[in-house]
Formats: sequence, structure tokens, C-alpha cells
Amino acid sequence: QVQLQESGPGLVKPSGTLSLTCAVSSGSIISSNWWSWVRQPPGKGLEWIGEIYHSGSTNYNPSLKSRVTISVDKSKNQFSLKLTSVTAADTAVYYCARDGSSPYYYMDVWGKGTTVTVS
Amino acid sequence: DIQMTQSPSSLSASVGDRVTITCRASQGISNSLAWYQQKPGKAPKLLLYAASRLESGVPSRFSGSGSGTDYTLTISSLQPEDFATYYCQQYSGTPYTFGQGTKLEI
Repeated sequence: QVQLQESGPGLVKPSGTLSLTCAVSSGSIISSNWWSWVRQPPGKGLEWIGEIYHSGSTNYNPSLKSRVTISVDKSKNQFSLKLTSVTAADTAVYYCARDGSSPYYYMDVWGKGTTVTVS
Repeated sequence: DIQMTQSPSSLSASVGDRVTITCRASQGISNSLAWYQQKPGKAPKLLLYAASRLESGVPSRFSGSGSGTDYTLTISSLQPEDFATYYCQQYSGTPYTFGQGTKLEI
């Protein structure tokens, strides 16, 4: 079964850039799946950030699009998230997830999540 | 964006109860709906997709129904491990959006 593991700094300064990586194991990132980032502020609900296909095609949430870049590294079997100009509002648990194959773009595999604090 | 509205926001129930959670989309989503269960400190877990299809390994006491804009998640007989927060998510189009969550408490 595919497994996902997020990694990156747990503390980012305001106005800085949040950078996270999701390592894919027991499976290949080169598949029919898209790969997503989702975040959850403390005590709040889930927000989809964006997704990437192994070809490099991306879709972003318009609410974050001006600050977000998602990229893929097929050689390392991982994908990454960069969020610029962060504020305290970006403090959250960040999850990476695998989307199902077309047309079922639900998220069937999730990483455990990593907490990022902006302070 | 498609807005997803869940109700209720919280729900108190007992072991053995039958409970229903509702999710309404701001426009038709053609059954492109998933339900997730999340326990404190854990990642969400997929329960159902395509509104009514049970994910492998999920107990059959969980079921889903609906069409168009209105969908429901039903737990037929609550077990102690079912007390958690539940989210719906539409994947009809990007940006994918989630309901605000329903916290199911004892």
C-alpha cells in the first residue's frame, strides 16, 4: 500500500516561505493519480491547497494561488509545496494525500501530517 | 467555488444509535462526494466515495446516499470507535472543497 510522509521545518517566520516535501513509498508517483496538499488550522476544518500530476500539471486553490507552488521530483518519488509570504493564518497541520484516478478525485491515502507554526 | 454545508455541526449520540449527517452542495456535484472520518491528532480516513461506495476495509455500518446537491452519511449502529469528526468533500471540480465538519460525541 502506498505510504506518504511529509517533512520540513516546523517553524517559519512571518513573511517567510513555507517549504514541505512529501515522500511517496511502496508505490510510484508516476501513476494515474494526482497528488494533493491539504491543510488544517488548529481546531478548524480542512482546506485543499492544490494538486500535481507527475507530468508537472497543477491545479491550485484560487484563495492561495498567488502564493503557492507545487512541484514534483520523479527521480526522488516525491512532491513539494512552497507557500510564500506566510502569516500566522498559515499556521496549520499540512497533509499530503493521493487523489484517486479520474474521475474519482477523492483522497484515498494520506500522510500523517506535519505541523507548521508561523511565528 | 462549490460550497459544502454540513449539518449538524455537532451531534451527541450513544453506542448503538443510528445517526445521519447531511451535506449540501451549492450546486449539483453528480455524486462526486467523499466522506472522511478524523480522530484527534490523526489524518482523515476515507470512508465512502462516489456518494455511496464503501472504501475497502470500512465497516458496512457506514453508508451513503444522495444525488444532485444533497447527500447523507448514515452510521447504522454506533460503535465506540466511531466517535470522531466527519467531513464531506466534493471532487466535482477544483478547488475541491470540504464541509465544515460534524463532531460526533458520546
